[in-house]
Amino acid sequence: QVQLVQSGSELRKPGASVTLSCKASGYTFTAYTVIWVRQAPGQGLEWMGWIHTNTGNPTYAQDFTGRFVFSLDTSISTAYLQISSLKAEDTAVYYCAREVEYQLLFGENPNYYHAMDVWGQGTTVIVSS
Amino acid sequence: DLQMTQSPSSLSASVGDRVTITCRASQSMSNYLNWYQQKTGKAPKLLIYAASTLQTGVPSRFSGSGSGTDFTLTINNLQPEDFATYYCQHSYNTPVFGGGTKVEIK
Repeated sequence: QVQLVQSGSELRKPGASVTLSCKASGYTFTAYTVIWVRQAPGQGLEWMGWIHTNTGNPTYAQDFTGRFVFSLDTSISTAYLQISSLKAEDTAVYYCAREVEYQLLFGENPNYYHAMDVWGQGTTVIVSS
Repeated sequence: DLQMTQSPSSLSASVGDRVTITCRASQSMSNYLNWYQQKTGKAPKLLIYAASTLQTGVPSRFSGSGSGTDFTLTINNLQPEDFATYYCQHSYNTPVFGGGTKVEIK
């Protein structure tokens, strides 16, 4: 079945780095963009950015530039999120998700809609001294 | 910057109730609006895309409507498994999530 399986929980000290993985199965990995979403404790969902799996081209949300890096290993259908210079406020659950494109016909011309239809189970990162 | 405002932030309801959640965008976005359900400790689940199209497998008691800046998610005949937090998400260009609406048991 189509699924995204993320790596396990991580505990790091401030200033350290961490790399999270997101392994896809059940579909052609390079046919769908991978999105990363952060959820701080007790908070809502925050789009971090995406990476186009056919080109490896990443786009980062404004709050996630500099210390956050998206990467891929298409040979094993896996996306990675690396966070460097960790801070306490990076403590959160990090989700990867697959972006799907739907084509709907309203009137004469098709419109294209994007949504996150498959999600990983999330990886908890705790940053604490 | 585009902002998505959900209301209420939380509500209490009983099994069998009809629940309506609203999402307002700070600028018009046609029908580029998705809804997700998130249960405690779990990943979000896509319910509705394009404002009103039900994702495959989602029960028909869920429905979405709206266009432009105002959108609603309606749950008819609320079931025990529907108690969760619901998020709207703008889906044109870069995604933006609403703050969430927690549906609790009365």
